[in-house]
Amino acid sequence: GESVGLHLPTLSVQEGDNSIINCAYSNSASDYFIWYKQESGKGPQFIIDIRSNMDKRQGQRVTVLLNKTVKHLSLQIAATQPGDSAVYFCALKGGTALIFGKGTTLSVSS
Amino acid sequence: DAGITQSPRYKITETGRQVTLMCHQTWSHSYMFWYRQDLGHGLRLIYYSAAADITDKGEVPDGYVVSRSKTENFPLTLESATRSQTSVYFCASSRDRDEKLFFGSGTQLSVL
Repeated sequence: GESVGLHLPTLSVQEGDNSIINCAYSNSASDYFIWYKQESGKGPQFIIDIRSNMDKRQGQRVTVLLNKTVKHLSLQIAATQPGDSAVYFCALKGGTALIFGKGTTLSVSS
Repeated sequence: DAGITQSPRYKITETGRQVTLMCHQTWSHSYMFWYRQDLGHGLRLIYYSAAADITDKGEVPDGYVVSRSKTENFPLTLESATRSQTSVYFCASSRDRDEKLFFGSGTQLSVL
């Protein structure tokens, strides 16, 4: 079946730095990928998504990159702020539902 | 715009008791989902529903029952709670099969 893994469980950055969170997946048939942010005590919140016919998509301060050749997904956060501190999950469509990775905890120090 | 709401926010129960977690969405989304979140396991799918009266099992369905008599509601019932069902439960909905999911705030359940 599908599996989703993250390269690092934690990431610590300084305020103003750029952050990069990585994710690897196993199912080459997956065609829809999403990044979620989860703050303590809250549900996952949608950040950005990308479909397999694209390799890059940009939002406000965030960029998602998809490399289907090596089955790798990354989330880039520009000018990271303390409010970006949270757990970040990548997820991919496996059938009807989303399959989630285990999350990377981003800590931003000022 | 209420979105998706879960109740209760916190619940403590004893082993063997029946517990129902509620989920309500105001968007008329077709798809609804129940996930549980545990340390070391991330978010795992329990059940999902594609429409009223259509439900299907996810990765970890044992010990849970769902129903969907109305599009906006998707309750999750633990028929006889066990300690291993202590977890945070999230309900989610999506407009269509290949759309992003929107999550509720979660129910923290403790089974003693």
